[in-house]
Amino acid sequence: DTEVTQTPKHLVMGMTNKKSLKCEQHMGHRAMYWYKQKAKKPPELMFVYSYEKLSINESVPSRFSPECPNSSLLNLHLHALQPEDSALYLCASSQASAAYNEQFFGPGTRLTVL
Amino acid sequence: AQSVTQLDSQVPVFEEAPVELRCNYSSSVSVYLFWYVQYPNQGLQLLLKYLSGSTLVESINGFEAEFNKSQTSFHLRKPSVHISDTAEYFCAARDFGNEKLTFGTGTRLTIIP
Repeated sequence: DTEVTQTPKHLVMGMTNKKSLKCEQHMGHRAMYWYKQKAKKPPELMFVYSYEKLSINESVPSRFSPECPNSSLLNLHLHALQPEDSALYLCASSQASAAYNEQFFGPGTRLTVL
Repeated sequence: AQSVTQLDSQVPVFEEAPVELRCNYSSSVSVYLFWYVQYPNQGLQLLLKYLSGSTLVESINGFEAEFNKSQTSFHLRKPSVHISDTAEYFCAARDFGNEKLTFGTGTRLTIIP
């Protein structure tokens, strides 16, 4: 299995809702990442988990809360989002967080905040 | 890497013509370089990477890129493009010892039949 899966594919939520995005990989990778991608822009790094510990938080607002329950699973909990948070949210994983390891990306969750 | 620059935001090319997508980076340390492709409404797929060794790297679908340290470039080339190559291409760099991958702004490759 060389895939990163993400659910749901699409999500529409109001500003008062609480929702979660899920990412899963079964490649034995020990580093996992969340990116945000706006239309016609490159992905922007949000969080990095290395061996299930948060190693990078790129000054992301607290309305985004990551969680890594085990080495295969990465969640992103969403609460009180703003319309400008609408974007494609990409999950990625790599064997470890060392620089030479390529990152494998999931297909993304397209989030719309109303 | 401090930055990755893709000067061309859009590149239209006739089918079966050659193409070059340009990428320059700036870094004060050794870097690892990557090209990713993103097809419409999909995630990113790794096209090829330069870690060390031969400066010319190739992908399975006919693309190649050459690492040029003196010019701090990692341009992507294909001798003959196909309609299926229509996509967004992102160059990315990662400093030795750094967890963070820095992306360029992307180049949209459009193939004209």
